[in-house]
Amino acid sequence: AQSVTQPDIHITVSEGASLELRCNYSYGATPYLFWYVQSPGQGLQLLLKYFSGDTLVQGIKGFEAEFKRSQSSFNLRKPSVHWSDAAEYFCAVGELWGSARQLTFGSGTQLTVLP
Amino acid sequence: DTGVSQNPRHKITKRGQNVTFRCDPISEHNRLYWYRQTLGQGPEFLTYFQNEAQLEKSRLLSDRFSAERPKGSFSTLEIQRTEQGDSAMYLCASSSHRGLGEDTEAFFGQGTRLTVV
Repeated sequence: AQSVTQPDIHITVSEGASLELRCNYSYGATPYLFWYVQSPGQGLQLLLKYFSGDTLVQGIKGFEAEFKRSQSSFNLRKPSVHWSDAAEYFCAVGELWGSARQLTFGSGTQLTVLP
Repeated sequence: DTGVSQNPRHKITKRGQNVTFRCDPISEHNRLYWYRQTLGQGPEFLTYFQNEAQLEKSRLLSDRFSAERPKGSFSTLEIQRTEQGDSAMYLCASSSHRGLGEDTEAFFGQGTRLTVV
């Protein structure tokens, strides 16, 4: 069965500092990987996704993620964090059923940004 | 189109009562998904529809839960005889399936937060 681990429950960074959120997955086939962000009281917004090809993917809001098959990781990075980035971040792996995609999420990392 | 819409946003109910939630997907999307998110956890898949057909159900979806999408547009999720363990955020998402290719990304609604007292 597929699974996703986000080892950091809570991360605090200062505004302007760099950020890396860790994600490790377990999946037997080529993974479809996603990062979503959730602000309080809001739904999930897709930041970026990886299906194949270039292992460094760019997303919205200045985020990027790197797929490392040897480490089963898909870490999210941002070079300079803004106060508006404070939110909860979820990594997910998508299992294909035919062409439909069931997402398995990690338990999330809560990001706090200090002024 | 304003995206995926879910109603109500919040629901408080007494244990043993039935509740029903509604999800209106993005209009051109033919796939609709339900997820449940408990406090401190990521969302967990419950079920999904392609048009009006319910194609997959998670083992999390006990027989007290039923979902419908009668005309292939909006969907309802009903929980009968609610229990305190049903307290969670219920999220709906939709995507578009284009022929032999894969889905577009799933767009999520803001969710319905259920509290069972």
